[in-house]
Amino acid sequence: GENVEQHPSTLSVQEGDSAVIKCTYSDSASNYFPWYKQELGKRPQLIIDIRSNVGEKKDQRIAVTLNKTAKHFSLHITETQPEDSAVYFCAAPRNSGNTPLVFGKGTRLSVIA
Amino acid sequence: NAGVTQTPKFQVLKTGQSMTLQCAQDMNHEYMSWYRQDPGMGLRLIHYSVGAGITDQGEVPNGYNVSRSTTEDFPLRLLSAAPSQTSVYFCASSTGGRSPLHFGNGTRLTVT
Repeated sequence: GENVEQHPSTLSVQEGDSAVIKCTYSDSASNYFPWYKQELGKRPQLIIDIRSNVGEKKDQRIAVTLNKTAKHFSLHITETQPEDSAVYFCAAPRNSGNTPLVFGKGTRLSVIA
Repeated sequence: NAGVTQTPKFQVLKTGQSMTLQCAQDMNHEYMSWYRQDPGMGLRLIHYSVGAGITDQGEVPNGYNVSRSTTEDFPLRLLSAAPSQTSVYFCASSTGGRSPLHFGNGTRLTVT
C-alpha cells in the first residue's frame, strides 16, 4: 500500500512570506494528490488537488507541484496571511484501484503577524 | 444539502462499553470512510465502503465494525471500548477514491 511522508511537521513564517510543505509517496502508480486544511477544532477541508497528468496547479495564492519521477508533491502558499494558520495534510490513494486516501501526518503552519 | 452529518459530537465511555458512531450523507456519494485523528498521527483510515453492502478494512480496523445497508448511512461500532480508542473520529464521503473527500464535523471520543 501507499506510504505518504510529509515534511516539515511544524512551520512558522512571517506574514507575507511564502510557505512550502512537501510530501513524498511510495507507489509510482498513484495518480491523485489532494491537500487538506484543518483549522483548530474544525474538520479537514480540501484546498487544492492535482492529478498525475499535470505538473502544477494554481488557485490564487496556493499552488501544488508534482514531480512524478522523484515521487513528491508540494504545497506552496504565497503572501501568507494569519488566516492561513492551520494544519495541512497531504494525501494519496492507498493503492491501485478505487481505494481511499492515506494521509501524511500533517504540518502545523503558523503565520506570525 | 446538510453534507456529512456525524453524531454524537462528544462521547465519554468506560472501558468495555460499546457504542455506535453515526454518519449520514445526503449527497448520494457511493464512497464513505471512517478516519481517526490522533495528535501527530494524521488521519488514519479505519474502514471504508465503496457502495451499499460493500465494506473493507483500512489501516487500523481492529476493535471496530462497520456496515453499509444504505447509500446514506455508514455507522461505526466500537465493540468493547479501550483507552487506546480515545480519539477524534471523522466520517467522510466522496464520489470515488480519486475524488475530494467531504468530512463530517467529527466525534470526540474519550474512553476512561
